[in-house]
Amino acid sequence: KAGVTQTPRYLIKTRGQQVTLSCSPISGHRSVSWYQQTPGQGLQFLFEYFSETQRNKGNFPGRFSGRQFSNSRSEMNVSTLELGDSALYLCASSPRAGDTGELFFGEGSRLTVL
Amino acid sequence: GQNIDQPTEMTATEGAIVQINCTYQTSGFNGLFWYQQHAGEAPTFLSYNVLDGLEEKGRFSSFLSRSKGYSYLLLKELQMKDSASYLCAVRDDSGAGSYQLTFGKGTKLSVIP
Repeated sequence: KAGVTQTPRYLIKTRGQQVTLSCSPISGHRSVSWYQQTPGQGLQFLFEYFSETQRNKGNFPGRFSGRQFSNSRSEMNVSTLELGDSALYLCASSPRAGDTGELFFGEGSRLTVL
Repeated sequence: GQNIDQPTEMTATEGAIVQINCTYQTSGFNGLFWYQQHAGEAPTFLSYNVLDGLEEKGRFSSFLSRSKGYSYLLLKELQMKDSASYLCAVRDDSGAGSYQLTFGKGTKLSVIP
């Protein structure tokens, strides 16, 4: 059974640009969550999607957005990039909404903003 | 909001026992989790506690006291491969039919020969 797949694994952008990251959950998993990981702040919750609906959102500015497709794949977008957006963005899937305890994480997309 | 505290770094000797503590403050507590993350890799699930007491899983055990807002992860018979970051995470029932995990900043454990 394939794990959570995130693309791209690495990318470099400049300030002001926008970026789209993709996540394919484990087959059969319908809930997808996104986290930002930085050395200073650790893992911070961005948002969670289930059945194409955003179920919960963390304390990030509106520049951070996401969506989920009917096949449960998810994308997140960051617009008007800032230097502080440099981080590892982790996607995690779980079998169902309302039970996000055991999350299955992807390897992450490492974003560098210059 | 939530506040989760755990030590930043710990060092222990191969074959020994180490205890990593985690304290938390939250409303709507709905479970505490421990994850392991090796450098450059994805976090992987280790354990889950929702009731008070000790949960044992091989060399790893996790304890929870809800009244004290306290948990610990106990690693026995340490091996070099246990060198990793250990993340404490609390699940909060946001009341919207969706559970959210809030992570501590992690404890970097170094196992030395």
